[in-house]
Amino acid sequence: AQSVTQPDIHITVSEGASLELRCNYSYGATPYLFWYVQSPGQGLQLLLKYFSGDTLVQGIKGFEAEFKRSQSSFNLRKPSVHWSDAAEYFCAVGPIQGAQKLVFGQGTRLTINP
Amino acid sequence: DTAVSQTPKYLVTQMGNDKSIKCEQNLGHDTMYWYKQDSKKFLKIMFSYNNKELIINETVPNRFSPKSPDKAHLNLHINSLELGDSAVYFCASSLGGGGGSPLHFGNGTRLTVT
Repeated sequence: AQSVTQPDIHITVSEGASLELRCNYSYGATPYLFWYVQSPGQGLQLLLKYFSGDTLVQGIKGFEAEFKRSQSSFNLRKPSVHWSDAAEYFCAVGPIQGAQKLVFGQGTRLTINP
Repeated sequence: DTAVSQTPKYLVTQMGNDKSIKCEQNLGHDTMYWYKQDSKKFLKIMFSYNNKELIINETVPNRFSPKSPDKAHLNLHINSLELGDSAVYFCASSLGGGGGSPLHFGNGTRLTVT
């Protein structure tokens, strides 16, 4: 069955430090992969997506992610975090069963120390 | 100019009541969704409509009934509310129903059943 695992429930980094959020997926074919960010009280906003082609994708707000088929991973990175990056981050994989359906990971909460 | 808007933002009600959540999108998308986010932040799809036609109907109690009067609107009616229905409900939309089109989320409706 298709699934997404985000191994880290909560990560704390200092402002200006680099960030890597992990995402591993289980999917029978080449997946579509997404990273979304959720700020408190808000809906989810798309950061970036991977469909095919270049395995390093650039997103908004200075984020990037790398698709590694051999490791079934799609980790999110940012070279220098800002206090405004504090939020919940979700990795998602799709489509599921041919339908426009995504399976989400359980999320990683990012806290930024000043 | 909100792209996906849901009302109300908060909904507090007693067990046994019936309530509705409304969703509208002005993005011109043809596919709309309801997702449920539980207290652990886990997101799971409930329903999806493409051009007013139901295309995804997950294992959701019959007490939940979506209605799509046109492709810009998707409402969710819940009968006989139970404590376990307390969650945040997100409406989302996308362009196309069969691929990896990114989802655009509303800001959510926090439902509390007492």
